[in-house]
Formats: sequence, C-alpha cells, structure tokens
Amino acid sequence: EAGVVQSPRYKIIEKKQPVAFWCNPISGHNTLYWYLQNLGQGPELLIRYENEEAVDDSQLPKDRFSAERLKGVDSTLKIQPAELGDSAVYLCASSRSLQQGHTEAFFGQGTRLTVV
Amino acid sequence: GDSVTQMEGPVTLSEEACLTINCTYTATGYPSLFWYVQYPGEGLQLLLKATKADDKGSNKGFEATYRKETTSFHLEKGSVQVSDSAVYFCALSVPGNTPLVFGKGTRLSVIA
Repeated sequence: EAGVVQSPRYKIIEKKQPVAFWCNPISGHNTLYWYLQNLGQGPELLIRYENEEAVDDSQLPKDRFSAERLKGVDSTLKIQPAELGDSAVYLCASSRSLQQGHTEAFFGQGTRLTVV
Repeated sequence: GDSVTQMEGPVTLSEEACLTINCTYTATGYPSLFWYVQYPGEGLQLLLKATKADDKGSNKGFEATYRKETTSFHLEKGSVQVSDSAVYFCALSVPGNTPLVFGKGTRLSVIA
C-alpha cells in the first residue's frame, strides 16, 4: 500500500511570493489533515477534511492560507503571500474513520518551506 | 482543552541503556493514545498505540501502557540502539474522529 505522498519535499521562496503544497492521501482514507510543524515543536493542526468538507479549520490563518480537497482525494495548501514566519515543515496525514471514532493517522514526509 | 505533556529533551543515552520518556495527558473524553517517531528528515511514523485503559502497545522493543488513573502513557525500552535516535511524540485522539493532539516531542540521541 502506498503511503501519503507530498510534494515538493523542499521549497525556498522569497517573502510575499505565493507557494502551494500538494498531498495525495492513502487510497480509501476519507479524512485528510494538514499540520504545521515548527522547529523543535510538535505538529499543530491547520485544517481537517472529511471527504470534500473542511470540518475543522479554526487554526488556519485565513487571511493568507487556503486549502482545497477536490473530489475528496488530493489536497492542496496555499500560502499567499508568504511571510518569514511561515518557514516550517508542512505535514499532510490521512486516516480512515472507524465506528468507535478511534483512528490513527499516517503521515507524509512533509514539505520543508523556507521563506527568505 | 485536550493536551499532551512530554518530558523535555534532549535525552542522550549510551547503547543498551534503558529508556523512559514520560507522557501525561488531559482529555475531555476517553482518548486513544499514540507514540509517533520522527527520524531525521522524515515524516512521522506510528510507533505504537493503545485505545483503552490498561492496554499495552508495543513495537520494535518499545512499550507503553495506558494508565487512566495517572493519565499517563510513558514510553519504555529496555535496551536502546543507535538506530533509535529520533524525535518521539506522544499524541492523543478522543472519540468522534477528532484530530491528533501532539506533545512537543522528545529528542533521543543514542551513542555507541
């Protein structure tokens, strides 16, 4: 079974430029997450999708961040314009919903963004 | 809100030493508990999990027991190897398919 695939692995951009990250979840996983991981910290949720619907985006800075999950499969996360403080690793994860609600998430390798 | 507290690192051990990384949690419901590991330059990998009180998760020589009375899920290994050097994250998820909540991570370095 293929894992969660993210691209690109690394991205360096100048501040004020736009950037986009792509994620392909594990086949059959209806739940998709985008997490932000700052250096030396644990991942923090940005947005969670159940199929095509964003069910938890309370931590997404909506003035500059946007995300979409067309057809309930692949997802893109966009930042426009990027700021220096956006430098971090952006992790995508997916999971399959269980009846009892206990799920485990599988993570991609992440995209390391550096804003200069 | 839900939260996870891990012992701060870094932790440096000699090969074959015993490892314990403490993890305690606060949750509004009855959570599932997880340990994830992140090797250098890689994404997070599930190491082990436990879904109810007194369950013991185990994998690759690592173990953790779900202790509801002390709200803890400490990670243990009897004899660490250099290849165990990584960052370890404790996490929880409460029923209702809520997302994982992570601790800040504990960096382990094992020296030969």
